[in-house]
Amino acid sequence: AQSVTQLDSQVPVFEEAPVELRCNYSSSVSVYLFWYVQYPNQGLQLLLKYLSGSTLVESINGFEAEFNKSQTSFHLRKPSVHISDTAEYFCAVSDDGNQFYFGTGTSLTVIP
Amino acid sequence: DAGITQSPRHKVTETGTPVTLRCHQTENHRYMYWYRQDPGHGLRLIHYSYGVKDTDKGEVSDGYSVSRSKTEDFLLTLESATSSQTSVYFCAITRAGSSYNEQFFGPGTRLTVL
Repeated sequence: AQSVTQLDSQVPVFEEAPVELRCNYSSSVSVYLFWYVQYPNQGLQLLLKYLSGSTLVESINGFEAEFNKSQTSFHLRKPSVHISDTAEYFCAVSDDGNQFYFGTGTSLTVIP
Repeated sequence: DAGITQSPRHKVTETGTPVTLRCHQTENHRYMYWYRQDPGHGLRLIHYSYGVKDTDKGEVSDGYSVSRSKTEDFLLTLESATSSQTSVYFCAITRAGSSYNEQFFGPGTRLTVL
């Protein structure tokens, strides 16, 4: 079974500053990697995913994540955050497309 | 939106009572999942189903049972609820794509066991 580590449980950042949310997973075999976002009192929504090909993937709202196979990492970044980015972010991994393993989440708080 | 609904959305119950949560999907997906979400633990898989009457245990299955008698419904039952089962429960499905599968989540059920 995979395991996913999100080292930062809480990340406060000022508005318009850059942010990086870290994610490491346990296995170096072929995997699918995901970032989900959860706004207060809502379910999880897919933010972006890595399946294969280019190691840099982007979302429609300015987030990007880079797959690093040698470091088994999939860190999420945004060059300039907005108040509306305040949410919980979960990293997830799957190696068979049917079982998904989630990290413990990172709470991003954007400070005005 | 993957057509996933959960009922009830909120429930307060007492220790020792049975509780059943329902997940309903409208898109005929084969795989369905039940997770619980707790602070500091993220999402943990309780049970999942890979077809009608085909289910398997997840990471935290003790105290829970599931049933799937038809494709669209996946029920989670707490036979005798305990305070440690106070949590937010999410149902999910896996949608098969051309080259990958993707999980979609329901809106969640907040369960409080007093």
